[in-house]
Amino acid sequence: DTAVSQTPKYLVTQMGNDKSIKCEQNLGHDTMYWYKQDSKKFLKIMFSYNNKELIINETVPNRFSPKSPDKAHLNLHINSLELGDSAVYFCASSQARTGAGETQYFGPGTRLLVL
Amino acid sequence: SQQGEEDPQALSIQEGENATMNCSYKTSINNLQWYRQNSGRGLVHLILIRSNEREKHSGRLRVTLDTSKKSSSLLITASRAADTASYFCATDIGNEKLTFGTGTRLTIIP
Repeated sequence: DTAVSQTPKYLVTQMGNDKSIKCEQNLGHDTMYWYKQDSKKFLKIMFSYNNKELIINETVPNRFSPKSPDKAHLNLHINSLELGDSAVYFCASSQARTGAGETQYFGPGTRLLVL
Repeated sequence: SQQGEEDPQALSIQEGENATMNCSYKTSINNLQWYRQNSGRGLVHLILIRSNEREKHSGRLRVTLDTSKKSSSLLITASRAADTASYFCATDIGNEKLTFGTGTRLTIIP
């Protein structure tokens, strides 16, 4: 009955590979987000989508491409993985776009390690 | 530079004591939110305080907001071992996103 789920939970891969992380929410929310949390626990937003429309693209390298096939799913594809991409990636969702007191619900995270 | 910065970075207290952590921010806000992150897990929303509010309570949590000082504090009373986690403040300044602070790592010693 997980509200926001992500797959896979762990991802270990070689530099230069392409990988995808999937996110699904069953809360009926309109807005979804991808965050990156580095080794110092700093959490930074990467993208947000509202009803499949891109709202935020936070100067992320274009090797990262989000895709939202419907408002319940927001996937993240990463091309040509680099060592610096190693981090924990969190998906989140909110009822509506951030503002007017929207709170966010987070998935469990995907731990990406690039070797 | 980051919008929110928590202080202290790390805090260890005995079970049963109160824990206070602070968040300072730079830009005027619509609201400020506190989240908890247990080790290896996602963030969980704790409480939201709007810019026109000064104090809010939720169970053992008390949040204050001082917009003149651009700061907020989170007080956890009668701490329990299960409160061990990292705590983050997040500010909404009306730019379609939450900006998270650096976090306070709280350890409750049984």
